[in-house]
Amino acid sequence: QKEVEQNSGPLSVPEGAIASLNCTYSDRVSQSFFWYRQYSGKSPELIMSIYSNGDKEDGRFTAQLNKASQYVSLLIRDSQPSDSATYLCAVNTNAGKSTFGDGTTLTVKP
Amino acid sequence: GAVVSQHPSRVICKSGTSVKIECRSLDFQATTMFWYRQFPKKSLMLMATSNEGSKATYEQGVEKDKFLINHASLTLSTLTVTSAHPEDSSFYICSARESGAEQFFGPGTRLTVL
Repeated sequence: QKEVEQNSGPLSVPEGAIASLNCTYSDRVSQSFFWYRQYSGKSPELIMSIYSNGDKEDGRFTAQLNKASQYVSLLIRDSQPSDSATYLCAVNTNAGKSTFGDGTTLTVKP
Repeated sequence: GAVVSQHPSRVICKSGTSVKIECRSLDFQATTMFWYRQFPKKSLMLMATSNEGSKATYEQGVEKDKFLINHASLTLSTLTVTSAHPEDSSFYICSARESGAEQFFGPGTRLTVL
């Protein structure tokens, strides 16, 4: 079992819809959770961090964390074609090391 | 804030030569820097973790004599690919972390070894 698992996709949604990206992790002591966006040929860009159970909203993005289920998700409201990218879930342990998922490719169709 | 730069952005070299890549945190002091490589359409692979003033910690399977890492100051880390071969061609990305848990990535360096 991978430490951080994501559906590889591709996930395709129409413009204006909600895109839902999911991530599960295996290390129960994980403390910090991050979502990065990576455009093709570019490096990852941090878009959300979440540390406690519940929802965290930032503009069109909402991160959701459920430590009991070892599950973290990212919702993108009013999806735009410019949101088309690969989204990476990253999980930090107490030791501070980040483990990345393989990423989910999102395509938003105009 | 939290800007990380890398230089060069792209390099082409002949097989057998060495290539140095610089990673700088421009507006914060990076206690820890990370080096990743990424093949096309593949996930990030952590190569090593470097802390200022100490030896880098390499991930399993990464040759420390092949990939030399120096973290000389709180704003600069370098990765030197020694005796590069075509299979070393990849996208190399650094990231930096201050005191928090968040990592900020540099723009990456695309290495092509002929």
